Amino acid sequence: EPEVTQTPSHQVTQMGQEVILRCVPISNHLYFYWYRQILGQKVEFLVSFYNNEISEKSEIFDDQFSVERPDGSNFTLKIRSTKLEDSAMYFCASRGDLNQPQHFGDGTRLSIL
Amino acid sequence: GNSVTQMEGPVTLSEEAFLTINCTYTATGYPSLFWYVQYPGEGLQLLLKATKADDKGSNKGFEATYRKETTSFHLEKGSVQVSDSAVYFCALSPPNDYKLSFGAGTTVTVRA
Repeated sequence: EPEVTQTPSHQVTQMGQEVILRCVPISNHLYFYWYRQILGQKVEFLVSFYNNEISEKSEIFDDQFSVERPDGSNFTLKIRSTKLEDSAMYFCASRGDLNQPQHFGDGTRLSIL
Repeated sequence: GNSVTQMEGPVTLSEEAFLTINCTYTATGYPSLFWYVQYPGEGLQLLLKATKADDKGSNKGFEATYRKETTSFHLEKGSVQVSDSAVYFCALSPPNDYKLSFGAGTTVTVRA
């Protein structure tokens, strides 16, 4: 069964550094998402992406965050200048159309030192 | 706004016991409702879903019924196994807002 893949599984970065989290959505999917889960807290929506542009973003998704689909397969989340509070598990998700459920990757654990 | 409230865990059960995880929601309109499961070391997997009132989602022996009158979507399984040990998340997606809003998650541990 096709799946969403995320790399790396764990990323350790110094505060203030840029980090890029990578996702390969399911190949025929058109809608892409990033969520995050701070340890012990809820899974929170960050951003949705469709037709090469952001369709919705949460208030968490400030100017430090950006997303990109640089080619036909990857979907990336960039945090420009990381803060300690960015430490979390980041999940990528995709769906084929709006009548289908979202399929999630295994997540990237981001640790900011 | 839209929100999901889940029964707090952790929940510890013996094998073959009955499992219920309560989930209630607040949303405008008629959202779609989901249960996702996260096994240790893995990502979120869709367990079941229901898209309208009185729908019953089912998968792997788990069931949940969309109850509009009580705004609930409780997850049940009649006889759990050790392999059901995981974190279970209730989630909703409103009709005009296609992102997911998650509950806090309930950790379930099943002992042999």
